[in-house]
Amino acid sequence: KNQVEQSPQSLIILEGKNCTLQCNYTVSPFSNLRWYKQDTGRGPVSLTIMTFSENTKSNGRYTATLDADTKQSSLHITASQLSDSASYICVWVKNRDDKIIFGKGTRLHILP
Amino acid sequence: DGGITQSPKYLFRKEGQNVTLSCEQNLNHDAMYWYRQDPGQGLRLIYYSQIVNDFQKGDIAEGYSVSREKKESFPLTVTSAQKNPTAFYLCASSMRGAAYEQYFGPGTRLTVT
Repeated sequence: KNQVEQSPQSLIILEGKNCTLQCNYTVSPFSNLRWYKQDTGRGPVSLTIMTFSENTKSNGRYTATLDADTKQSSLHITASQLSDSASYICVWVKNRDDKIIFGKGTRLHILP
Repeated sequence: DGGITQSPKYLFRKEGQNVTLSCEQNLNHDAMYWYRQDPGQGLRLIYYSQIVNDFQKGDIAEGYSVSREKKESFPLTVTSAQKNPTAFYLCASSMRGAAYEQYFGPGTRLTVT
């Protein structure tokens, strides 16, 4: 079982709508939890980085939340745009062990 | 893609041939990483280097080799021993270790037939 599980695997929404992507992790403790956006055929780009003491962080229309008690994080996208079509990857990091675990990602499609 | 470049973007090789993927960064980062990405899979760590002339195996190092002779360069060689080399390869760097944000290159898609 993957230690960082993302859901849904894929999602299709209409342009202008909001959506929320989920990330559940089983490993703890951790140092920070990250969300990346990866366009098809490109490298991932960082959206947010949250330490275990933070429960929300925003980057424009992207807002990440973190609940360390339930080991869940979510990425909320507001007023989606066609350019939001991409894969979104949740990443668990533990500094002490220099350990980084990537989720498999959620593939988001925005339709006009 | 920050200050990390990977070349070439696409690479085609015949089975049994070794091939070297280039990764260069001008961010003055100490740490560099190689990942492999397959459809429906999370990124998997092949090798990483925390400092020049030192590197460690990741989770799937078999059939791969690296060198770190210069701070800005971390080439990856895919050898003929790698049983399933066709994949998308991503290079990343960070200021030091996992505590610091990783910056990824644009990737190299390797196809071996």
